[in-house]
Amino acid sequence: GAGVSQSPSNKVTEKGKDVELRCDPISGHTALYWYRQSLGQGLEFLIYFQGNSAPDKSGLPSDRFSAERTGGSVSTLTIQRTQQEDSAVYFCASSFSLRSSYNEQFFGPGTRLTVL
Amino acid sequence: GENVEQHPSTLSVQEGDSAVIKCTYSDSASNYFPWYKQELGKGPQLIIDIRSNVGEKKDQRIAVTLNKTAKHFSLHITETQPEDSAVYFCAASLRYGNNRLAFGKGNQVVVIP
Repeated sequence: GAGVSQSPSNKVTEKGKDVELRCDPISGHTALYWYRQSLGQGLEFLIYFQGNSAPDKSGLPSDRFSAERTGGSVSTLTIQRTQQEDSAVYFCASSFSLRSSYNEQFFGPGTRLTVL
Repeated sequence: GENVEQHPSTLSVQEGDSAVIKCTYSDSASNYFPWYKQELGKGPQLIIDIRSNVGEKKDQRIAVTLNKTAKHFSLHITETQPEDSAVYFCAASLRYGNNRLAFGKGNQVVVIP
């Protein structure tokens, strides 16, 4: 079946503009994560959605960042008033969350964001 | 929160030799340790993982070892091939809660033909 998909694959924007990044998780996966990878760095956790529970936003770097997950499926990460330090690759991952098992996270191909 | 350190940052090996990447973690409550391989322009892909109730796990040419007392775990790749060239990330998480992964900074492995 299809894996995690993300769009767009590349986004170039001007400083101060808002951007929206989209994630389509694997069908049936209840958990969805957003991570950010800056150049030469590991992945940094941003936000986590699990079913209908309130999201864990503890990794969001500032209030310019927000995310939604509609209908328990598609998610959108929004960055308002983008800054140059927001330039990074943004990855989405999903997993089939079961309390009785460890849950492999499947990653999408990422969206490369460049803020000029 | 959890802090994962990964060494070395780059590693070059001759084809056929072994490669070892080491990681340390800070939170003794962490109990799940996956390794991801990331090829250029792609998302990370899980290659092997280990849980805290196991000391070693092997899958063909790759193996992972875990030392809970010392809080470190290692990835071993034997008989390296050019297609093993990639960036490898270690990660750690708690089983319960949000399962958020704390990643190391990655290790660039180059297999020289």
